[in-house]
Amino acid sequence: AQKVTQAQTEISVVEKEDVTLDCVYETRDTTYYLFWYKQPPSGELVFLIRRNSFDEQNEISGRYSWNFQKSTSSFNFTITASQVVDSAVYFCALSESSSGYSTLTFGKGTMLLVSP
Amino acid sequence: NAGVTQTPKFQVLKTGQSMTLQCAQDMNHEYMSWYRQDPGMGLRLIHYSVGAGITDQGEVPNGYNVSRSTTEDFPLRLLSAAPSQTSVYFCASSYGQVGQPQHFGDGTRLSIL
Repeated sequence: AQKVTQAQTEISVVEKEDVTLDCVYETRDTTYYLFWYKQPPSGELVFLIRRNSFDEQNEISGRYSWNFQKSTSSFNFTITASQVVDSAVYFCALSESSSGYSTLTFGKGTMLLVSP
Repeated sequence: NAGVTQTPKFQVLKTGQSMTLQCAQDMNHEYMSWYRQDPGMGLRLIHYSVGAGITDQGEVPNGYNVSRSTTEDFPLRLLSAAPSQTSVYFCASSYGQVGQPQHFGDGTRLSIL
């Protein structure tokens, strides 16, 4: 079974629409960390956010917000008023304390296409 | 600030050739790792290292060798390239503790003919 599932392979929206990228994870650890990374068309991987398993507060950074719900093992990412520059592949990733290190397990990614 | 530097950026090999992908970081990070990215597969861990002289296998280690002689460098070797190793390879580094964000290089796009 996948440890990190991003069920949406590709999402297409028109600029200024809100969009939510889903991430569901699976772990037996009580201590773990969740991440979101962005991969724009230029190919580099950009770190967006980290959340630990003990902090369920939602986070907002500009047009980006993240909703962490342990009850549903989800860590969803919402972009408000999307822009063309948001077009990218977004990866959700998990780091488990049982690994002992900062090893990441990635989901397969969601490609977001924002058209003008 | 160089961060994580990968060379080369692009490479084309013939089946059976050998090659070393270079990775260097200047952040004094203990942890370094190699991932491969294939369409629809996300990033999968090949090998990782938690310090000089210490390496271990990830999810897809077959066909790849690594070594870590210094804190800064973590090369990835393909001893006999196969078409199945055509991929984009990313090197990453971080502090070693669980939960530390990984810093990624810009990637190496490798094609095996």
